[in-house]
Parts: sequence; structure tokens; C-alpha cells
Amino acid sequence: KAGVTQTPRYLIKTRGQQVTLSCSPISGHRSVSWYQQTPGQGLQFLFEYFSETQRNKGNFPGRFSGRQFSNSRSEMNVSTLELGDSALYLCASSSNLQETQYFGPGTRLLVL
Amino acid sequence: QKEVEQNSGPLSVPEGAIASLNCTYSDRGSQSFFWYRQYSGKSPELIMSIYSNGDKEDGRFTAQLNKASQYVSLLIRDSQPSDSATYLCAVSMNRDDKIIFGKGTRLHILP
Repeated sequence: KAGVTQTPRYLIKTRGQQVTLSCSPISGHRSVSWYQQTPGQGLQFLFEYFSETQRNKGNFPGRFSGRQFSNSRSEMNVSTLELGDSALYLCASSSNLQETQYFGPGTRLLVL
Repeated sequence: QKEVEQNSGPLSVPEGAIASLNCTYSDRGSQSFFWYRQYSGKSPELIMSIYSNGDKEDGRFTAQLNKASQYVSLLIRDSQPSDSATYLCAVSMNRDDKIIFGKGTRLHILP
């Protein structure tokens, strides 16, 4: 099976802009979770989608949003970018959230 | 108390020795526990999952779970330089189904 794919791999934006990241899960996986990873905070949970519904949400501001399509592909959007949003954004897919998660390669976002 | 705690390290272990990585968690009702390895610049990859009290072995890796003490550990036998990485403990919280990751322990295997 093909693994989790994320696009783009690298992104440079300026403050105030918005960005959309994409994640394609492993075939057959219906759960997609998004994480933000920074050196200081580690891996922080953003949200999880299952069958096009957001089931769980972490403690991030409303500028961070996401959605999932009927083919389980997911997108994450960050509006009004701030310098502190610079991070590695990881997507993980699983058959269900309680099961093993498989991570994509990540999108490294730099906000200038 | 932090939800999932790990010693940040670095933990230095001589090649061939046993590396012991520890993790404690706050939610007594947690059911699923995972160990991930993350090389610098790469995404996390699963090493082991464990759901029941006791030990679970897979090759050179052994995961140990003690729910009464809210403690999960990972032992790496015959440590190799390629084991040098950050090891992330992840716990599926019972109360809200989130998976919470610890901040990871950096492991350095000394050749």
C-alpha cells in the first residue's frame, strides 16, 4: 500500500497570509489527524477527522481549520499566519483514532 | 501534571548495551500506548503498540506497560548507532479519544 502523502513539502509565507495543506491517507484509512511539531512544544494535536466529520479538536485558535473529503483526503487551512505558526505540520492516518497512526513526511511551513 | 511525560535526555548508551526509555501518563483510563521513533528531519514511525499490562517483545524492542503505576517503557537491547533518534511515547486518552504525545527522549548510542 502507498503511504501517507502530504503536499506541499515545503512552504514559505509571510505574516497575514493564509495557507492550505493537503494530506492523502493510506488507502482504506478513514481517520486523519493533524499535528503541529515545533522544537519547544513537541508534537501537538490539532484535530482529527473521521468520515468527513471532525471528531476531536486540540487547543488551537480558530485560525486553524480543516476538512475531510469523501475519499478521506484531508486539508488543513491556517488563516492570518503568524510567525509562531512556523512548524512542521504532520498528518497521520489510521483505520480508527485508537489504532496505530501512520505519519506522512510532513509539510515544513516557514512564516516570515 | 502533564498528560504524557518523558525525560527529554539526551540519554547516552554505549553500543551493545540496553537502552531504557520511560514514559508516565496522567489518565488512568488510557487504553492504547504507542512508541514512535523519529530521526532528525523525518516524521515519526511506529515501533511498538501495547494495550495490556506486561511485556511485549518485537525483535530487539520490548515495551512494558504497568497501568496501575501509569507507566510505560521501551527497552532496546543490543543498541546500535542507528537507534540514535528521538523516541516519542503516545497515549490514547480514554476521556476524549485524543492521542497525546510526550515531547520525546533523545537517545544517543555511543559507538
